[in-house]
Amino acid sequence: QVQLVESGGGVVQSGRSLRLSCAASGFTFSTYDMHWVRQAPGKGLEWVAVIRYDEINKNYADSVKGRFTISRDNSKKTLYLQMNSLRAEDTAVYYCARDPVGGGLDIWGQGTMVTVSS
Amino acid sequence: DIQLTQSPSFLSASVGDKVTITCRASQGIGSYLAWYQQKPGKAPKLLIYAASTLQSGVPSRFSGSGSGTEFTLTVSSLQPEDFATYYCQQLNSYPQGFGQGTRLEIK
Repeated sequence: QVQLVESGGGVVQSGRSLRLSCAASGFTFSTYDMHWVRQAPGKGLEWVAVIRYDEINKNYADSVKGRFTISRDNSKKTLYLQMNSLRAEDTAVYYCARDPVGGGLDIWGQGTMVTVSS
Repeated sequence: DIQLTQSPSFLSASVGDKVTITCRASQGIGSYLAWYQQKPGKAPKLLIYAASTLQSGVPSRFSGSGSGTEFTLTVSSLQPEDFATYYCQQLNSYPQGFGQGTRLEIK
């Protein structure tokens, strides 16, 4: 079935790095734009980044620009989020989501928790 | 950046009630708006996209309307499983931000 599974979350010290992965299955990954969305504990949803299906075009939220890098490997059907210079305010559940362009984010992963400790 | 403001932030209603949530954009976004439902500990679920198109599998008691800067999500007759938090998201331009959420609770 159509599925997204995130991994790579955990507890990391402030200033360190972490890489999240999102494995896709059940659909043609290379034809969809993919997003990362996060949710801090008890807070609302925050859009983080998007990468177009072509692996080239990317956009970021101002809050992570210059620190986070979104990438994908269409041959491995996997989305990534490289997070550098982590801060306490980056503590959140991170979701990957599929974008059929203009149709909203129709498939979401279960989320992976990232905790940044000081 | 386009800002989305949802109202109300909190809503108390009973099973069978009709409820409406509003999402206002800081500038025109055409019909590039989606609505999501999120239950505690779960990922968001897409309900409506293109402002008024019901996602496959979503009950018809959910409907969306609006264009430009003002949008609404309506639930015609609340069911017990509808008590959750609802978010709008603009799809017009990056960053594709979300509204702050509307928490719908049982009265």
